Amino acid sequence: GDSVTQMEGPVTLSEEAFLTINCTYTATGYPSLFWYVQYPGEGLQLLLKATKADDKGSNKGFEATYRKETTSFHLEKGSVQVSDSAVYFCALIGSSGGSNYKLTFGKGTLLTVNP
Amino acid sequence: DVKVTQSSRYLVKRTGEKVFLECVQDMDHENMFWYRQDPGLGLRLIYFSYDVKMKEKGDIPEGYSVSREKKERFSLILESASTNQTSMYLCASSLKFTGFDGYTFGSGTRLTVV
Repeated sequence: GDSVTQMEGPVTLSEEAFLTINCTYTATGYPSLFWYVQYPGEGLQLLLKATKADDKGSNKGFEATYRKETTSFHLEKGSVQVSDSAVYFCALIGSSGGSNYKLTFGKGTLLTVNP
Repeated sequence: DVKVTQSSRYLVKRTGEKVFLECVQDMDHENMFWYRQDPGLGLRLIYFSYDVKMKEKGDIPEGYSVSREKKERFSLILESASTNQTSMYLCASSLKFTGFDGYTFGSGTRLTVV
């Protein structure tokens, strides 16, 4: 079945540091890929998405590129802020058969940014 | 602004109680989902519904049931609450063919069973 593997946290960075959170996936066909963010005490919010190979999703300074050849969708940001402290989830929706409604999540990566 | 609203942010219930968690969406979405979130385990799907009165088991349905009498409302029921059901519960909804948009989530209900 479909699966998502993302780097284990926690990740602790200083303000203005470069961020990478790795995400790889296993799925048949051409899944759609997502990054969700969960701020403390809140539900999940969609951060960015990409629906086909080589697409780049971007939002709030975050970027991720859909790489089919490496089955990856790594999240990056050039300069993190304290307000980016949150849990980040990589996820996919499959494109085949009965999996085209079900969002499969990674386990999440906790990011803490210190001033 | 589109919304998924969960009726309670925090709930404390006693062991053995019947517990109802309510979720309402205003986006006319066909699909609705209930997840629980636990540290180290990520999000696990409990039940989902792709139409009124339709439901399907997710990955961890034991100890739970659901009800969807109207398109906009999806209820999660803990028939007899137990301490191992203490968790954060997240409701989500999506369009029927959801590949392009993903889900919209509610803010979550943190349930403590004592």
